[in-house]
Amino acid sequence: DVKVTQSSRYLVKRTGEKVFLECVQDMDHENMFWYRQDPGLGLRLIYFSYDVKMKEKGDIPEGYSVSREKKERFSLILESASTNQTSMYLCASTLGGQGGSYEQYFGPGTRLTVT
Amino acid sequence: GNSVTQMEGPVTLSEEAFLTINCTYTATGYPSLFWYVQYPGEGLQLLLKATKADDKGSNKGFEATYRKETTSFHLEKGSVQVSDSAVYFCALSLKGSSDMRFGAGTRLTVKP
Repeated sequence: DVKVTQSSRYLVKRTGEKVFLECVQDMDHENMFWYRQDPGLGLRLIYFSYDVKMKEKGDIPEGYSVSREKKERFSLILESASTNQTSMYLCASTLGGQGGSYEQYFGPGTRLTVT
Repeated sequence: GNSVTQMEGPVTLSEEAFLTINCTYTATGYPSLFWYVQYPGEGLQLLLKATKADDKGSNKGFEATYRKETTSFHLEKGSVQVSDSAVYFCALSLKGSSDMRFGAGTRLTVKP
């Protein structure tokens, strides 16, 4: 089974702190994604990566950055946390390539509270 | 652009009731369609999928049929259980693309 793990289930940080959220997948997937989930808004894509050291902005990249130094690991960074970044953060991965219809595999999520 | 619209919740049903959660989509190409489920405190997991028109995806008693003529992918289950209480997301992706678009989610609560 594909396993996607996230470094923390719950995190509480103060406004202005730098926050790192880590995600690791064990299936040699090409593509990895970071979403945030808010009630009534569904999942919104923050950033994704289709290869090591490659990244693409999603729909809501402002206030976030990412790092992918190894294929299995994709980090989300909040440079200076703000209260409006309080949310559930979900990491996902999927097999890459052309022509397929690739389901995404999700981690358990990190519930981040910024006070 | 590509998007998914699903019925707003919350939906509350009694055990053994029939469930329908509506989902319609807009896509520029020929999408694959998915239903994901999120149980309390967990991430999303794939429930079922369909990759072309008239395909029926099914799993755990849930079904959905890809209807190109109505651009719909409604989720159904004939007899829900308390354990089906969760949030359900409809999603699409275009072939060859890893970009996935999700609906807002529908919370289902099943009461004994």
